[in-house]
Amino acid sequence: EIVMTQSPATLSVSPGERATLSCRASQSVSSKLAWYQQKPGQAPRLLIYGASTRATGIPARFSGSGSGTEFTLTISSLQSEDFAVYYCQQFNNWPLTFGGGTKVEIK
Amino acid sequence: EVQLLESGGGLVQPGGSLRLSCAASGFTFSSYPMSWVRQAPGKGLEWVSTIGGSGAATDYADSVKGRFITSRDNPKNTLHLQMNSLRAEDTAVYYCAKDHNPNIYMDVWGKGTTVTVSS
Repeated sequence: EIVMTQSPATLSVSPGERATLSCRASQSVSSKLAWYQQKPGQAPRLLIYGASTRATGIPARFSGSGSGTEFTLTISSLQSEDFAVYYCQQFNNWPLTFGGGTKVEIK
Repeated sequence: EVQLLESGGGLVQPGGSLRLSCAASGFTFSSYPMSWVRQAPGKGLEWVSTIGGSGAATDYADSVKGRFITSRDNPKNTLHLQMNSLRAEDTAVYYCAKDHNPNIYMDVWGKGTTVTVSS
């Protein structure tokens, strides 16, 4: 099983600042990596797939990068609606696995 | 608009069974794999199961293998999760999700249904 490790667990950021979230895979997943956003009481929402492709309707301030074992989600200028928990997921191997999540909170 | 609506959650005793359903609309249901993902209270996301578009292929997390069965009724646009021998650790919100084809990431999610396993 591929273990996905996200860091940091919590990120405190002021509105308008940049946020950088990391996701590491225990073995290569190529570019088969997705990012999701989850707000309290809501279902997750797909943000990024293929490591760097934004899903439909996702604002350009969200960007993804990386391949192999190291991935990054960057939010260029945090808006109030971006404070949430973010999860990465690999879809290169079975079983599918998620990272433990990074909570982005208001500083 | 693509929509997924889960139902069937509730309170069940340890060792009991429950059947979840997910009604899909707004897309050609039979063309896409579908997944179940769960989230225990205060915890992260855990993949449970995926079923191929035809229903012939399924895969399960080790934590549920042999206890849970995923199936689909394509003419009725409905996904099911039969959960048997339930344990306290199965307590979670269960989400159904439409998967991309052929890569299995979840591009649309339902709102979830809550399963509580407790005596």
